[in-house]
Amino acid sequence: DGGITQSPKYLFRKEGQNVTLSCEQNLNHDAMYWYRQDPGQGLRLIYYSQIVNDFQKGDIAEGYSVSREKKESFPLTVTSAQKNPTAFYLCASSLGTPGETQYFGPGTRLLVL
Amino acid sequence: DAKTTQPTSMDCAEGRAANLPCNHSTISGNEYVYWYRQIHSQGPQYIIHGLKNNETNEMASLIITEDRKSSTLILPHATLRDTAVYYCIVRVAIGGAQKLVFGQGTRLTINP
Repeated sequence: DGGITQSPKYLFRKEGQNVTLSCEQNLNHDAMYWYRQDPGQGLRLIYYSQIVNDFQKGDIAEGYSVSREKKESFPLTVTSAQKNPTAFYLCASSLGTPGETQYFGPGTRLLVL
Repeated sequence: DAKTTQPTSMDCAEGRAANLPCNHSTISGNEYVYWYRQIHSQGPQYIIHGLKNNETNEMASLIITEDRKSSTLILPHATLRDTAVYYCIVRVAIGGAQKLVFGQGTRLTINP
C-alpha cells in the first residue's frame, strides 16, 4: 500500500533523553514535513525538506533536529534542549511542486516521564 | 502569512448538509485555500482545495467568494463519521515546498 507511516504510535521519554521519531513514505514525494500539535491547537511546522540532503527550519525548530539521507525517510529527533516535548507529532509529504497537496501520516504521541 | 478565522464549534443533523464557513480576509493572490479534517488522535485528512473557482470532489464542495476573503466547505449529506475538527488553511509556497498555516479549526458534531 502507498502511504506515510510513522512509528512508534506512542513514545515515552525520560528527562534529558533524546528520542527519534520515524517517518517513512513510499509515495515518491520530494518534500517532507514535521508538525507538532498541542491539545486543542492547530499544527505548527517544525522542519521541512524539499529534497534529499536538504532541510529548512520551520516556525518552532528549537530543540529539534532532522536528517534527510534518503528520499523516503525524514526522521525527527527531539533533543533534551526541547523543554516541553509532550505533544502529538505529525509527518507529512507532498510532491514538492507548487500546487501539490500535502498528505499526513497517523502521528506519534510523545510523553515525557 | 494569511490567517483564517473559523467558528469554534458547529452542530449538524445527520443527513443534512453541513456548511462550514471560513474567513481569510488577508489572503493574497497566489495563496490557496485548503480544507483538512482531523478525527481525534489521527493525522489530518485532506478534503479539498481551491484558488478562486468553486471546487467539488467526492467528499465535499468548496465555495470561494469572488473577492476570495471567505469560503464555505459543504458536506452535502453529513454522516456520523463526519464528526471531526475541520481546518481551513491557507497554503503558502516556500520554494518548492508548501507551508500550511493551521488555526484551531471548527469542531463539527453530527447528531443522529
